[in-house]
Amino acid sequence: GENVEQHPSTLSVQEGDSAVIKCTYSDSASNYFPWYKQELGKRPQLIIDIRSNVGEKKDQRIAVTLNKTAKHFSLHITETQPEDSAVYFCAATPGWAGNMLTFGGGTRLMVKP
Amino acid sequence: GAGVSQSPSNKVTEKGKDVELRCDPISGHTALYWYRQSLGQGLEFLIYFQGNSAPDKSGLPSDRFSAERTGGSVSTLTIQRTQQEDSAVYLCASSSQYYEQYFGPGTRLTVT
Repeated sequence: GENVEQHPSTLSVQEGDSAVIKCTYSDSASNYFPWYKQELGKRPQLIIDIRSNVGEKKDQRIAVTLNKTAKHFSLHITETQPEDSAVYFCAATPGWAGNMLTFGGGTRLMVKP
Repeated sequence: GAGVSQSPSNKVTEKGKDVELRCDPISGHTALYWYRQSLGQGLEFLIYFQGNSAPDKSGLPSDRFSAERTGGSVSTLTIQRTQQEDSAVYLCASSSQYYEQYFGPGTRLTVT
C-alpha cells in the first residue's frame, strides 16, 4: 500500500519568512495530493491540492509542487504570518483504490512574530 | 451550506463498553470516510463508503470496529468492548468529487 513520509516534523520560522514542507510517497499510481491545515483542537481544513497532470499550483501565499518522477511533493508558504501556525498534513491517494487518503505524519509550523 | 457534522463531540466511556459515533456528511456527497487521529499523531484511515458499493473496511484495526451507512447518508461507527488504546479523535469526511474530502469536527473518545 501507499506510504507517505513528511519532513520536517516541526518547523519554526520568523514572521515574513518562507516555509517549505516536503513529502515523499511510495505508490507510483498515486495521482492526487492534498494538503490540510489543522489548528489546535479543530478539524483538518483542505488548503490546496494538486493532481498528477500538473507540476505546480499556486493560491495566493501558498503553492504546491509535484515531481512525479522522484515521487515527492512540497508545500511552500511565503510571507508567513502568525495565523499560519498550525499542523500541516500532506496526503496521497491512487484514484483506482477509491479515495482513501494516506497521510504523512504532520508538520508543526510555528511562526514567530 | 452546512458542513460535515459529528456527534457527540466528546465521549467518555468505561473500558469494555460499546460506543456509537455518528457522522452527517455534506448533503449530496456520495462518499464518506472515517479516520482516527491519536493524540499528536497523523490520521489513520479506517473505512470508506462510496454510494451503494460495499464499503472498504481495510483500515479497521480489529473486529471490534464496524460501521454502517444508512440511506447513503448518515453513518455510524461502532466500537465494541472499548479498550484504552481506542482513545483518539474519530474524524469523518465526505466527498462529492472524486478527490476533495471535507472533514467534520471529530468526536474525542476517551476510554477510562
